[in-house]
Amino acid sequence: GAVVSQHPSRVICKSGTSVKIECRSLDFQATTMFWYRQFPKQSLMLMATSNEGSKATYEQGVEKDKFLINHASLTLSTLTVTSAHPEDSSFYICSAREDHYTEAFFGQGTRLTVV
Amino acid sequence: KNEVEQSPQNLTAQEGEFITINCSYSVGISALHWLQQHPGGGIVSLFMLSSGKKKHGRLIATINIQEKHSSLHITASHPRDSAVYICAVFPSKYDSGGGADGLTFGKGTHLIIQP
Repeated sequence: GAVVSQHPSRVICKSGTSVKIECRSLDFQATTMFWYRQFPKQSLMLMATSNEGSKATYEQGVEKDKFLINHASLTLSTLTVTSAHPEDSSFYICSAREDHYTEAFFGQGTRLTVV
Repeated sequence: KNEVEQSPQNLTAQEGEFITINCSYSVGISALHWLQQHPGGGIVSLFMLSSGKKKHGRLIATINIQEKHSSLHITASHPRDSAVYICAVFPSKYDSGGGADGLTFGKGTHLIIQP
């Protein structure tokens, strides 16, 4: 099946710094990529939807200036957590799909710890 | 608002038992995913359904669009099936309200298969 590669798998950063997470579709062109967040013992929550070449659509309560999403090509989307805070520590996962009718494939996830 | 309800939340069974996990949702959907999440957090997409039934190995997924209900079955369960199983839906374009159209997730079913 199609593969989505997410990097890094784990990252520890200091408060106030920025962290970039990459999500790549390896064998298909991802018109749409999604970014999700999962706090411990909670379900995954959609943060934002990004379509190639246009601005991301953020879910209510997600700060777009804090979580910068770039989807500059059909195979790459990045999520940058700016001015990271300990409460941003979470599991972030991306998914990608070719179009509205095809299956979504998931990256391996990134465990972010802000100290 | 799209709600996805899963049951049971926790399930412990003996090796070899037939397992059923249920999922109900509240809005029209374009597709439903069954996902498997392992302790490290990584997610694997097991099935994407928009109608009927799919089978892959010991896993069977069914969906009833009219009743807004899906089930995931595991036959001849094995300890390696122990994981969190998550139901997730893509709302249909008509029910997404024109907003972001990423997946809405259920809270997951924690399955433990004992030897």
